[in-house]
Amino acid sequence: DIQMTQSPSSLSASVGDRVTITCRASQSISSYLNWYQDKVGEAPKLLIYAASSLQSGVPSRFTGSGSGTDFTLTISSLQPEDFATYYCQQSYNTPRTFGQGTEVHIK
Amino acid sequence: QVQLQESSPGLVKPSETLSLTCNVSGGSISGYSWTWIRQPARKGLEWIGRVYKTGTTNYNPSLMSRVTMSVDTSKNQFSLRLASVTAADTAVYYCAREVGDSSSRQFDYWGQGTLVTVSS
Repeated sequence: DIQMTQSPSSLSASVGDRVTITCRASQSISSYLNWYQDKVGEAPKLLIYAASSLQSGVPSRFTGSGSGTDFTLTISSLQPEDFATYYCQQSYNTPRTFGQGTEVHIK
Repeated sequence: QVQLQESSPGLVKPSETLSLTCNVSGGSISGYSWTWIRQPARKGLEWIGRVYKTGTTNYNPSLMSRVTMSVDTSKNQFSLRLASVTAADTAVYYCAREVGDSSSRQFDYWGQGTLVTVSS
């Protein structure tokens, strides 16, 4: 299985901050990398697919980059509704695997 | 707008079989793969497997011996059965749709999730 490792596991930030989350794959996955936002009591939401493509309806403050083994999710200006847990996920092969998650807390 | 809704058995006894159904509304079940994902409390997301409208399946090797997935196109729903459950199978179970092509595959629609507890 491809192991996905996110860092940090949690972070505290203020509204308006720029936030960066990284994800590393245990082998090259080209650009088969997706990012999801997870809030308690809600269905996980697709933010970024194919490493850098913004899902329809997702605000442009979310950007993704990277290829191969190293990827980044950036929130350019953190908004109150962005406090959540974020997961990366590889779709290079099966079984699909996820990172362990990054919790974004209010500072 | 596509919506997915998991059924909810709630409580399942150890050694019994967990059965879940995901009802798909607002779109056809054809042309996509349909996935089950679970999340134990305070842990990450685990892909259980997927089923296509043809009935073709792919399962996580870690669960393969206990998992069966099926699809009912006439009812626009798909199902998960997990046999011989233990407390380790207690989790929130999500159904999701996977879309994409040769350059990308992603879960674009998810159900709200249903908590399944394994306990006597």
